[in-house]
Amino acid sequence: NAGVTQTPKFQVLKTGQSMTLQCAQDMNHEYMSWYRQDPGMGLRLIHYSVGAGITDQGEVPNGYNVSRSTTEDFPLRLLSAAPSQTSVYFCASSRRSGGSGNTIYFGEGSWLTVV
Amino acid sequence: GESVGLHLPTLSVQEGDNSIINCAYSNSASDYFIWYKQESGKGPQFIIDIRSNMDKRQGQRVTVLLNKTVKHLSLQIAATQPGDSAVYFCAEGDNQGGKLIFGQGTELSVKP
Repeated sequence: NAGVTQTPKFQVLKTGQSMTLQCAQDMNHEYMSWYRQDPGMGLRLIHYSVGAGITDQGEVPNGYNVSRSTTEDFPLRLLSAAPSQTSVYFCASSRRSGGSGNTIYFGEGSWLTVV
Repeated sequence: GESVGLHLPTLSVQEGDNSIINCAYSNSASDYFIWYKQESGKGPQFIIDIRSNMDKRQGQRVTVLLNKTVKHLSLQIAATQPGDSAVYFCAEGDNQGGKLIFGQGTELSVKP
């Protein structure tokens, strides 16, 4: 059982480049989300999805796009990378929407540096 | 906006002692609260959660207390071990979409 898998683990981008962070889960979870974590900070929600074909913005969506064409995959696209997007990105998934006892599983993270 | 914050950024305890990590939250409408453990270079790992209609919940060596009157959440770790060393985050969520609001984090250091 792989859980939540993120790729790549590390990436260096030049300002203005675009890239996609991949996220896949094999638990048939409906809910998936992307967070970013800056040094010494908690995680902040970028985008989330409650099911295939449905996405919505979180707390810090600017500069990022998402799509959910399948239940398993939820890629995060950086349209034109900026140094402010240097961060660690975490993908998460859960079995259903919200509530106690609904464990949210996180991937191992993707370290992104924009120079 | 609504936020969740921690009182102490760092906590150092002796192995075998009990640890208490505190968290203040501001959104009284949150439905549940969660504690996560994050080790260096890894993603957050679920520890325990509690619904807003509960005051206390116990797990294996951990207890979460919720005081809605003062909007305070705490995580108690019994007989703290070196393997408990990590950053601990509290988070609050709702029943609408599983979105979480995280606090800043407390680094727990366990001295052997």
